[in-house]
Amino acid sequence: QVQLVESGGGLVEPGGSLRLSCAASGFTFSDYYMIWIRQAPGKGLEWVSYISSSGGDISYVDSVKGRFTISRDNAKNSLSLQMNSLRAEDTAMYYCARPLMITFRGNIVISEIDFWGQGTVVTVSS
Amino acid sequence: QSALTQPASVSGSPGQSITISCTETNSDVGSYHLVSWYRQYPGEAPKLIIYEVAKRPSGVSDRFSGSKSGNTASLTISGLQAEDEADYYCCSFASSRTLGFGTGTKVTVL
Repeated sequence: QVQLVESGGGLVEPGGSLRLSCAASGFTFSDYYMIWIRQAPGKGLEWVSYISSSGGDISYVDSVKGRFTISRDNAKNSLSLQMNSLRAEDTAMYYCARPLMITFRGNIVISEIDFWGQGTVVTVSS
Repeated sequence: QSALTQPASVSGSPGQSITISCTETNSDVGSYHLVSWYRQYPGEAPKLIIYEVAKRPSGVSDRFSGSKSGNTASLTISGLQAEDEADYYCCSFASSRTLGFGTGTKVTVL
């Protein structure tokens, strides 16, 4: 069965860095886009970034552009999120998830997110 | 980026039907018609319950149904049960190639 297991979260001071990882199993990882989603304590869901199966299509939410970098290693079935210049507002549970893509009106778009990991907690505080 | 507005809370008695709205304030989002809905229990990861506006994944109760009119998508829960008490989020992919989640709705079963 599909499994997504995040790791790498922890406590970091403002301005610091963390690297999150997501180990995928139970499906052909190299066939799928992957996505990071976060949820601040007591708040709603926020999409952070996605990466295409080959790594050639990447997008970020405006608030992390220039600070976060998404990457993947298809040989190791692994997804990563390098987070630099961390801020207090980056404090959240970070989920690795698998979106399903379809072609809609000539564009490849995210249709839904069918599998989620259990998340890893990132706390940015001094 | 996508802005999807939901009511903060909706409540109902067991057996009743409730509807959660999701209004897209970015007109680009409405053109995709690919709204999905997720249920999240406290301390757990979200789970997909509706995709492509009105389709249900295998294993999801038919008490859940989705619809869309203009820039507003809706999730209806029929025959409300205690286990439906959770947070619900809509989600849509925008023409700017970003993903937006709704503000979230807490469903309370009275």
